[in-house]
Amino acid sequence: AQKITQTQPGMFVQEKEAVTLDCTYDTSDPSYGLFWYKQPSSGEMIFLIYQGSYDQQNATEGRYSLNFQKARKSANLVISASQLGDSAMYFCAMRGLYNQGGKLIFGQGTELSVKP
Amino acid sequence: NAGVTQTPKFRILKIGQSMTLQCAQDMNHNYMYWYRQDPGMGLKLIYYSVGAGITDKGEVPNGYNVSRSTTEDFPLRLELAAPSQTSVYFCASSRGIRDGNLEAFFGQGTRLTVV
Repeated sequence: AQKITQTQPGMFVQEKEAVTLDCTYDTSDPSYGLFWYKQPSSGEMIFLIYQGSYDQQNATEGRYSLNFQKARKSANLVISASQLGDSAMYFCAMRGLYNQGGKLIFGQGTELSVKP
Repeated sequence: NAGVTQTPKFRILKIGQSMTLQCAQDMNHNYMYWYRQDPGMGLKLIYYSVGAGITDKGEVPNGYNVSRSTTEDFPLRLELAAPSQTSVYFCASSRGIRDGNLEAFFGQGTRLTVV
């Protein structure tokens, strides 16, 4: 079975500061991928960053980095130097790559508000 | 490059009516997914497919059916619409596990209201 949990329904951050969005997961699959997506108020789903379970280094994409702690089963998203345009819903997702047949599931989401 | 195309964008159904939400992708992706998103909530997986002719249930399959006769198309069928099916529906596709770049690409969504 797979499960993704995001425990922060809403977060506030001051513009130009860094913010961490939490994500924990559970899976029996020995190989899996972890993703973060952004959903602005317009509704589209925007891919941000990917981490494979066997990747040795934490993934980074511009201002986004993924703090991957495999033993703790956590995959937190760090956004550095927040911008007003970062205000959106953020979803953590997991895809089982071995036993789960590619099934992709999402967490409940965190609504991030960036204050000027 | 169209990516993932969903039709229609909006639809109002009466209770008990049926409809098919269309989804097509032009990226030759093996994996396709259907999700529903209720207001302020996350995406719940309805059905997914790992290739033409193969489909499997997700987290919330009741009240829905799918088929995958081609790589490109993955329609979602609602047989007897109920108010509980009022939601935004997203279709997505992704590459095979051995193909790298595993992120899913999403359509723009279909906003369905059942009255």
